[in-house]
Amino acid sequence: GAVVSQHPSRVICKSGTSVKIECRSLDFQATTMFWYRQFPKQSLMLMATSNEGSKATYEQGVEKDKFLINHASLTLSTLTVTSAHPEDSSFYICSARVADRDQETQYFGPGTRLLVL
Amino acid sequence: AQSVTQLDSQVPVFEEAPVELRCNYSSSVSVYLFWYVQYPNQGLQLLLKYLSGSTLVKGINGFEAEFNKSQTSFHLRKPSVHISDTAEYFCAVRGAQKLVFGQGTRLTINP
Repeated sequence: GAVVSQHPSRVICKSGTSVKIECRSLDFQATTMFWYRQFPKQSLMLMATSNEGSKATYEQGVEKDKFLINHASLTLSTLTVTSAHPEDSSFYICSARVADRDQETQYFGPGTRLLVL
Repeated sequence: AQSVTQLDSQVPVFEEAPVELRCNYSSSVSVYLFWYVQYPNQGLQLLLKYLSGSTLVKGINGFEAEFNKSQTSFHLRKPSVHISDTAEYFCAVRGAQKLVFGQGTRLTINP
C-alpha cells in the first residue's frame, strides 16, 4: 500500500515551453501532497505544500507563478513549470501524506527528471 | 524550528561489514523521525520511522535505528551490508506540517 506514481519519469523540453508533471496516490487518498526539487548530489528542497481543493503554500523563494500547483482531487496533484529555462532543469519529486491513517508519514514518488534545453 | 544534521556525507564500507549512519536532530515540538533511502535516479523509499514507543526501531532490508532523546540522535545501523545497499540515505524530522531533511549520506559498499 501507499504507492505514489509520477508521470512522466523523464522529460526534455525547449526553453520557453511549459511542462506538466503529474503525481498520483494509487491506493490511498492524500489530503496533502508535497513537491520537492533535488539538485545533483544534494538533499531535497521543499517547494510547496498542496492541500486538496485549496491553494498551495509555497516555500520562501519559490515563484508561485512559475511553478503552478493544482491539487484537484484526493489522488492527483500536478506541477506545471511555466516558461521553463535551463536553470529549471532538476529532479522533481512529489510525496503524499495518507489521509486516513498514520498522518505523520510521507510516501514519495519515483521522481521526474526535467531537462530544459 | 526543526533541523537535521547528518554527520557524514560519505561512508565507504566493505561488503558484509556493519555500518552506522549518524543523524542528529533538533526539534521544539514532538519528535517524529524518519530514514529514507534513495537509489540512483529514483524517489525516496521509507526505511523506518520513530513516532513513539520503543526507541529501537526496525525497518526494511535489515536496517534499524535507535532514538536517543538525551543525545538528540537517531542513528541508522545494519549489522552486515550488501552491495545492493549502495545508495543515498536521508534522515528527516517532522516539523510543523512538513519534513525537514538532512543533507544525505552516500553509502558505498566495496566488494
